Amino acid sequence: DIQMTQSPSTLSASVGDRVTITCRASHNIYNWLAWYQQTPGKAPKLLIYKTSILDSGVPSRFSGSGSGTEFTLTISSLQPDDSSTYYCQHYYAASRTFGQGTKVEIK
Amino acid sequence: EVQLVESGGGLVKPGGSLRLSCAASGFTFSNAWMGWVRQSPGRGLEWVGRITSTPDPGTTDYAALVKDRFIISRDDSKNRLYLQMNSLKPEDTGVYYCSTDWEGNRGRQGAHWGQGTLVTVSS
Repeated sequence: DIQMTQSPSTLSASVGDRVTITCRASHNIYNWLAWYQQTPGKAPKLLIYKTSILDSGVPSRFSGSGSGTEFTLTISSLQPDDSSTYYCQHYYAASRTFGQGTKVEIK
Repeated sequence: EVQLVESGGGLVKPGGSLRLSCAASGFTFSNAWMGWVRQSPGRGLEWVGRITSTPDPGTTDYAALVKDRFIISRDDSKNRLYLQMNSLKPEDTGVYYCSTDWEGNRGRQGAHWGQGTLVTVSS
């Protein structure tokens, strides 16, 4: 099975900061990677799919990049509403493993 | 508007069984690949499994932790997705989400999710 390793597990940043979350795959997943945002008690929300494509309605301050085994989610200017947990997920071949999640807190 | 509504969660004893259901609307369910994801209390998301659309031809795949205990099925005539859970263990406790899976024409994954249903496995 393909393992996904996310880092950091938590981060604290100020409004307006640029924030980057990394996701590493144990095998080549090409560009089959999605990013989700989840707030407590709510279902995950798709932000980005196929590594870099923003889903409909997602603010342009979110962006994704990478390929193969290393991927990043960047928030260009952190906003109060971005306080959430973010997960990466690969969807290469038949499995769909998630990363462990990154909790983003606002200072 | 796409809607996914899970039901069937509850309290079950270890070793017991439970069947979750997900009612889908707002899209052509028969063409959709669908999946289940769970989240244990205070923990991260865990992929459970997925089923392709019937023409593809309704293939299922599962996470190793649930393989041979859980079965995903679908009834396209009722626009429903199911998760049959057998030999349940306390570590299966969590919120179970139904979601759309891979959309081949766009390469999009996980665009739509239900609100989740809570399964508690305890004696």
